[in-house]
Amino acid sequence: DQQVKQNSPSLSVQEGRISILNCDYTNSMFDYFLWYKKYPAEGPTFLISISSIKDKNEDGRFTVFLNKSAKHLSLHIVPSQPGDSAVYFCAAHSRRNTDKLIFGTGTRLQVFP
Amino acid sequence: DGGITQSPKYLFRKEGQNVTLSCEQNLNHDAMYWYRQDPGQGLRLIYYSQIVNDFQKGDIAEGYSVSREKKESFPLTVTSAQKNPTAFYLCASSARVQPQHFGDGTRLSIL
Repeated sequence: DQQVKQNSPSLSVQEGRISILNCDYTNSMFDYFLWYKKYPAEGPTFLISISSIKDKNEDGRFTVFLNKSAKHLSLHIVPSQPGDSAVYFCAAHSRRNTDKLIFGTGTRLQVFP
Repeated sequence: DGGITQSPKYLFRKEGQNVTLSCEQNLNHDAMYWYRQDPGQGLRLIYYSQIVNDFQKGDIAEGYSVSREKKESFPLTVTSAQKNPTAFYLCASSARVQPQHFGDGTRLSIL
């Protein structure tokens, strides 16, 4: 039972354009969401997060949107750069269980010139 | 330079052998975690520890064991009872209510 789903295994975007990565979740107890970025042969690095009390969080080129009624979140990268090419993981946990981080299967983003 | 060090980067094991993966952090984080990643899948939690001398099972603890004798160290032993040990193993740590920081992983393969 996949509680966090990333239905697009890959995404290809031209440099300078917007990249939109999507994530859906099924557990209504989740109230904190994170995005991690992973390069090959390296561990994931934390990118941005959002609490369920917000519907948007922005950090430079990265913005995360949360739609609680749809149980959906998305990561927007504007403008996309070749260095953004990596695998992006969505993750979630509940306030009651902050140690149990549930990850999606990841989306491989490729930004081409 | 603060961070999480996992060693070795690549590890080979013969069937029936136990093997221990090392994870050390100098971030002064209380909590440490072990995850497993398989191709096309997300990270799955094996074990975690919120404090020294205490740890809890994650979602896929069968065939694994851990210890937490020091704050800085959280070694993972993959035992012979783990039927499908070939995977990429990731260690992470975090301070209270902060995002987890990850090491660069150990890739374990069965000979």
